[in-house]
Amino acid sequence: DSGVTQTPKHLITATGQRVTLRCSPRSGDLSVYWYQQSLDQGLQFLIQYYNGEERAKGNILERFSAQQFPDLHSELNLSSLELGDSALYFCASSVGGESFTEAFFGQGTRLTVV
Amino acid sequence: DQQVKQNSPSLSVQEGRISILNCDYTNSMFDYFLWYKKYPAEGPTFLISISSIKDKNEDGRFTVFLNKSAKHLSLHIVPSQPGDSAVYFCAATNTGTASKLTFGTGTRLQVTL
Repeated sequence: DSGVTQTPKHLITATGQRVTLRCSPRSGDLSVYWYQQSLDQGLQFLIQYYNGEERAKGNILERFSAQQFPDLHSELNLSSLELGDSALYFCASSVGGESFTEAFFGQGTRLTVV
Repeated sequence: DQQVKQNSPSLSVQEGRISILNCDYTNSMFDYFLWYKKYPAEGPTFLISISSIKDKNEDGRFTVFLNKSAKHLSLHIVPSQPGDSAVYFCAATNTGTASKLTFGTGTRLQVTL
């Protein structure tokens, strides 16, 4: 158990809909990262938050947005869903700050868009 | 632009032998490298890392080698065990920036009996 909790584990929704994925980081971790893993692909970095502020942005679509709340949990919002958005979405957390520390991953949310 | 590349999608090794997983990177700003292991239906799990000031880091059966001039790193598993069968991701970061990890596409290792 990495200490990072993601909900829900599975999500099936229709095209055009909007969903919210939730992540609770490990206790004490200030950084939260979101990654997308499509079929047989590597993990694509989407976005990072550090202590409530956006810190880095990757290949995140405009239809996607995220935020980190004062209690440090994070949500990834995916809207106007398309079939190609079907993927595993992972959240990771790390202590963050000035020096790099290893990131710990949650079990992921498997999103299926039908 | 794939800045971290794992050119072997899969690798099969006999139990007890050495597994060598390779990774190449293109971004010379990367200064910290990690290997993650992933089982099906689970998130990636940190395995071992190496800073660019070193050329080798060892942790039990796992050793990571870094060749900065070739922009190449490798993970050696000796001896390989059936429980090592998983997908292995190489990742890299620049610790001076936002510290996000850039991942390779993974290598599926199968350790056979």
